[in-house]
Amino acid sequence: DIQMTQSPSSLSASVGDRVTITCRASQSISSYLNWYQQKPGKAPKLLIYAASSLQSGVPSRFSGSGSGTDFTLTISSLQPEDFATYYCQQSYSTPRGFTFGPGTKVDIK
Amino acid sequence: QLQLQESGPGLVKPSETLSLTCTVSGGSISSSSYYWGWIRQPPGKGLEWIGSIYYSGSTYYNPSLKSRVTISVDTSKNQFSLKLSSVTAADTAVYYCARLFIVVVPARGSYNAFDIWGQGTMVTVSS
Repeated sequence: DIQMTQSPSSLSASVGDRVTITCRASQSISSYLNWYQQKPGKAPKLLIYAASSLQSGVPSRFSGSGSGTDFTLTISSLQPEDFATYYCQQSYSTPRGFTFGPGTKVDIK
Repeated sequence: QLQLQESGPGLVKPSETLSLTCTVSGGSISSSSYYWGWIRQPPGKGLEWIGSIYYSGSTYYNPSLKSRVTISVDTSKNQFSLKLSSVTAADTAVYYCARLFIVVVPARGSYNAFDIWGQGTMVTVSS
């Protein structure tokens, strides 16, 4: 099974900050990596698929990079609506398996 | 636009079977471009993929839940369903249904992601 880790588990940041979240896979998953944003009481929202492709309607301040085992989600200038928990998810095993990372909570400094 | 809505009991007794249905509106569940899936989230915890189904009925399950999970599809009703047997308190969670899209990225290949989600339904396992 492919295991996913994320770092940090939480971070505090201010509006306007550049924020970077890291996701690591236990084996190479090429570019089969997605990022989601989840706000309290809401369903997750797809931000990035295929490691770096921006989902339609997602602001361009969100970007993804990486391949193999190491990936990064970057928010170039944090906005008030970006305070949320972010999850990575591997789709390398699709459709037979998907694994989510444990999440990174971004809150207000 | 496409919407997904989960429905089913909010309270299930231990050892019984949890049953949920996801109704798809604004589009057809029979599209060849999508799979359909169930994901759950225990209170205060992360996301866990339960399983996925194609409109043809092909199913894929999380190995850790496979012995207790059945996912089925009813194309005539534009619905797919989840059954989880022998539930315990550990199965208490918000259950989401979601669409898994298939997209071809030029020069890179075919990729999947859950792009549309239902609002989720809380299921508590308790006597």
